[in-house]
Amino acid sequence: KNEVEQSPQNLTAQEGEFITINCSYSVGISALHWLQQHPGGGIVSLFMLSSGKKKHGRLIATINIQEKHSSLHITASHPRDSAVYICAVRWDTGNQFYFGTGTSLTVIP
Amino acid sequence: EPEVTQTPSHQVTQMGQEVILRCVPISNHLYFYWYRQILGQKVEFLVSFYNNEISEKSEIFDDQFSVERPDGSNFTLKIRSTKLEDSAMYFCASRGRRGASSEQYFGPGTRLTVT
Repeated sequence: KNEVEQSPQNLTAQEGEFITINCSYSVGISALHWLQQHPGGGIVSLFMLSSGKKKHGRLIATINIQEKHSSLHITASHPRDSAVYICAVRWDTGNQFYFGTGTSLTVIP
Repeated sequence: EPEVTQTPSHQVTQMGQEVILRCVPISNHLYFYWYRQILGQKVEFLVSFYNNEISEKSEIFDDQFSVERPDGSNFTLKIRSTKLEDSAMYFCASRGRRGASSEQYFGPGTRLTVT
């Protein structure tokens, strides 16, 4: 069965800390999507990756295709970064996205 | 900045009733999606739509579900006879073009409560 695994499931950090959230998947993909879900439920797209690395402000996303692994990094974390971060992948064989269970991040002032 | 909108934000309905969830995708986008998220669970794919037809659907998307793009701007999800287990947040998303790097943009969601 094709799987998307995220770790950690929950993460609490002090403001200013560097944060890493991991996503692993079981088979080949054509794209990987990092999403942010706010407490109210809305989903915001952060990055779409098929290779390499992308940076936007304090957020950095990397993907290693050979190791079937992606990381989302947040530098200088802030309480407003508190949210659920979701990894979603599109398998090589299809067009739909499969979602991980999310990592719940709480940044404490 | 263009965005995907969804209405209503919250819909309460009785079991067995039909509901229609509405989405207005970003205007020049070509690919449209519905997802659902049961409370406390992960987001699940329901259906994708392109060129006025379903391009892919999941096992969840059974005969009780249908999608339509009635007027070139709206994209609707209909549930014919709602069940308690249909209670969830339903997200619409749209994408502009093919290719691995093409992002999906999500709407704010409709919370459906079936009583």
